[in-house]
Amino acid sequence: SQQGEEDPQALSIQEGENATMNCSYKTSINNLQWYRQNSGRGLVHLILIRSNEREKHSGRLRVTLDTSKKSSSLLITASRAADTASYFCATGVDRGSTLGRLYFGRGTQLTVWP
Amino acid sequence: DTAVSQTPKYLVTQMGNDKSIKCEQNLGHDTMYWYKQDSKKFLKIMFSYNNKELIINETVPNRFSPKSPDKAHLNLHINSLELGDSAVYFCASSPYRGTGNTGELFFGEGSRLTVL
Repeated sequence: SQQGEEDPQALSIQEGENATMNCSYKTSINNLQWYRQNSGRGLVHLILIRSNEREKHSGRLRVTLDTSKKSSSLLITASRAADTASYFCATGVDRGSTLGRLYFGRGTQLTVWP
Repeated sequence: DTAVSQTPKYLVTQMGNDKSIKCEQNLGHDTMYWYKQDSKKFLKIMFSYNNKELIINETVPNRFSPKSPDKAHLNLHINSLELGDSAVYFCASSPYRGTGNTGELFFGEGSRLTVL
């Protein structure tokens, strides 16, 4: 299938620690995106990394992309209780019948304890 | 101002009924989507419209019919509801114009449908 697969499914850490989530995918992509979903809410876009980029930063977020391994990681540094949410990766595969689609994984549930 | 708004937020109904969910975006985007999130949080695309034209129609039962009266609105009508239709339905929009990279999606807050 074309959707990303996040790993781990659940992650529990203390405030101040770093959280790392991984995403693997199977087909060539144009871009990979990370989203956050708070309980009972919609998804919020965090960061987009293009297939020709290897690393991107946004505040406390750091995303890496390794297209040779078809994998990406999201690092949240100095986590806070407010970071508790589900995190999804989504892959954009813009050609042919997949034009315009974003494929999502099942997410990593991150819990940050105060 | 809410960027992508969908109504209703909660919908509880009996099997066999017909229901609609409405979505509106005020971002001026050309493309709108319906996604379905199941109980295991798997998010699957259902439909997409670009400037009122259907561009994505995944393998979805034909009981589901989207309608886009204009590029700011995308509604979802579901006929003969079944237990398996229970899920959270998300509307989203993006500035995607039918070519090039699929960019960032802006999601609504979701409509939780429960079929009894």
